[in-house]
Amino acid sequence: NAGVTQTPKFQVLKTGQSMTLQCAQDMNHEYMSWYRQDPGMGLRLIHYSVGAGITDQGEVPNGYNVSRSTTEDFPLRLLSAAPSQTSVYFCASSSKTRSLRRETQYFGPGTRLLVL
Amino acid sequence: QQPVQSPQAVILREGEDAVINCSSSKALYSVHWYRQKHGEAPVFLMILLKGGEQKGHEKISASFNEKKQQSSLYLTASQLSYSGTYFCGTANNAGNMLTFGGGTRLMVKP
Repeated sequence: NAGVTQTPKFQVLKTGQSMTLQCAQDMNHEYMSWYRQDPGMGLRLIHYSVGAGITDQGEVPNGYNVSRSTTEDFPLRLLSAAPSQTSVYFCASSSKTRSLRRETQYFGPGTRLLVL
Repeated sequence: QQPVQSPQAVILREGEDAVINCSSSKALYSVHWYRQKHGEAPVFLMILLKGGEQKGHEKISASFNEKKQQSSLYLTASQLSYSGTYFCGTANNAGNMLTFGGGTRLMVKP
């Protein structure tokens, strides 16, 4: 099993550009999520999905879109990049149920994004 | 609301012990602990559930006080490999969101 994979590893964008961060998992997990981590800070939830076709907003969803057309993939789209979106983005997947209460989250290696 | 972790940072010598605390203003169903090494992804350590159930790392111990809405992670006889940032996360009532604390940086020196 590859676990949770993310591409790209690094990306530099100019203000106003759009891009998609890819995330895939091969563990047949229902729950997937996107977090951002700013320097010296904790993880903040952007969006999450409890299964294919179902997505919802987390703590900091503005400026980001997600979709979940398959169980395996959960891409994150930046609509119009801003310097405030410079961060490290982690995708995570968890469990074959839709609840996080009792389940481990498995994190991908992260995407480092710089917006100029 | 984000759980509060203390201390923010701690430096230890190998073999020393440390306690990391996590407190919430909301009632807790479960508390999740992760460790992140510099430049890497967070890695699961353990989950503590209401009623005393625990899941996770055999060599790490933790407590969960439901009434006080607090959890503590106990790192005993620390090793160099324990260095990193420790995060606690709390699940909301619906169990579909995990909110993380700001982290505790632990450095273990030889």
